Amino acid sequence: GAVVSQHPSWVICKSGTSVKIECRSLDFQATTMFWYRQFPKQSLMLMATSNEGSKATYEQGVEKDKFLINHASLTLSTLTVTSAHPEDSSFYICSANSISYNEQFFGPGTRLTVL
Amino acid sequence: EDKVVQSPLSLVVHEGDTVTLNCSYEVTNFRSLLWYKQEKKAPTFLFMLTSSGIEKKSGRLSSILDKKELFSILNITATQTGDSAVYLCAVIRAQKLVFGQGTRLTINP
Repeated sequence: GAVVSQHPSWVICKSGTSVKIECRSLDFQATTMFWYRQFPKQSLMLMATSNEGSKATYEQGVEKDKFLINHASLTLSTLTVTSAHPEDSSFYICSANSISYNEQFFGPGTRLTVL
Repeated sequence: EDKVVQSPLSLVVHEGDTVTLNCSYEVTNFRSLLWYKQEKKAPTFLFMLTSSGIEKKSGRLSSILDKKELFSILNITATQTGDSAVYLCAVIRAQKLVFGQGTRLTINP
């Protein structure tokens, strides 16, 4: 199957700083990538849909100015958490659609802790 | 509002037991239902179900979809401690995945 990577796998930052998370499709092109957030003992909640070459589509309740998404190429999408606060601490997971395999592949996730 | 509901939320059984996990959904423009297993990291894909009544099987795991009653079940037979995980059900709606809350399965030796 296709492989999706995320970097970093974990990050600890101070409140008020910005953190960038990268999501890469390693062996396929992904016109669409998705960003999810998962709080402890909860399910995955879709934050936004990232489309290559156009603006991301955000789910209701997700602030687009706080969670900046850039899908600059067919293999890379980035999520920047701006002015992070402790309540942003969560597990952030990306996924990418592979047309070849007709399914969504998940990255390994990034655990963000904001102090 | 689209909804995916899993039950039970938590299940503890002994090794060797058989378990059945449930997933019901109310989603407009339903395309497919997927099952994932999540251990410490991101979910790993188990099954995709699109048609009613056709059982998908992989080793000790099997799953079936009922599009009339809007639910799916995931069966695990002869459970092993390595089956301990959170099992997530998700429905595809216009390319997006809508997840249920998950069932936390614990297999005791």
